[in-house]
Amino acid sequence: KNQVEQSPQSLIILEGKNCTLQCNYTVSPFSNLRWYKQDTGRGPVSLTIMTFSENTKSNGRYTATLDADTKQSSLHITASQLSDSASYICVVSYFGNEKLTFGTGTRLTIIP
Amino acid sequence: NAGVTQTPKFRVLKTGQSMTLLCAQDMNHEYMYWYRQDPGMGLRLIHYSVGEGTTAKGEVPDGYNVSRLKKQNFLLGLESAAPSQTSVYFCASSYVKDSSYEQYFGPGTRLTVT
Repeated sequence: KNQVEQSPQSLIILEGKNCTLQCNYTVSPFSNLRWYKQDTGRGPVSLTIMTFSENTKSNGRYTATLDADTKQSSLHITASQLSDSASYICVVSYFGNEKLTFGTGTRLTIIP
Repeated sequence: NAGVTQTPKFRVLKTGQSMTLLCAQDMNHEYMYWYRQDPGMGLRLIHYSVGEGTTAKGEVPDGYNVSRLKKQNFLLGLESAAPSQTSVYFCASSYVKDSSYEQYFGPGTRLTVT
């Protein structure tokens, strides 16, 4: 069964610190992997999309990495801000298919 | 551009009642989707559409129907609501760009069935 697992489930860090969120997937054949940010009460917003041939992609203070061999991805947040408090969802798509498999997300809380 | 909008934002239904959720997008996207999000679970695809006049079942279609009469609108119907359909519903739309199917989500509809 195609699955996307994320860790940790929740994380609390001090403002200004860095953090890394993990994603493991079993989706095959793999097409691309996305990271979404979902603020409380809002819809998910795309941060990065990576194909199997890409191993890193940045969007401001967000850097995603992908190891297609081990089927692992990480999202690194640098110099966290209070506005980074949100759920971060890892999403994987099948090759040639518009359907997505969603992880359950990591709930990140930034405290001042 | 408003992007993807959803109507209503909140709704409370009694078991057995019916309702329709409306999704509208102004980005001229071909593909539209309906998801539900439940605590402790990832978003799950209910139904989707790859173009005007077409619909297809997703992962959890039972109890729902959809229609895509206009390219910009995608309607989700609950004919006889059940407490198990209490959830947050998200609509999304996408176009094919480098085969990435980038999806843009609406703000969600919180539905409670009592």
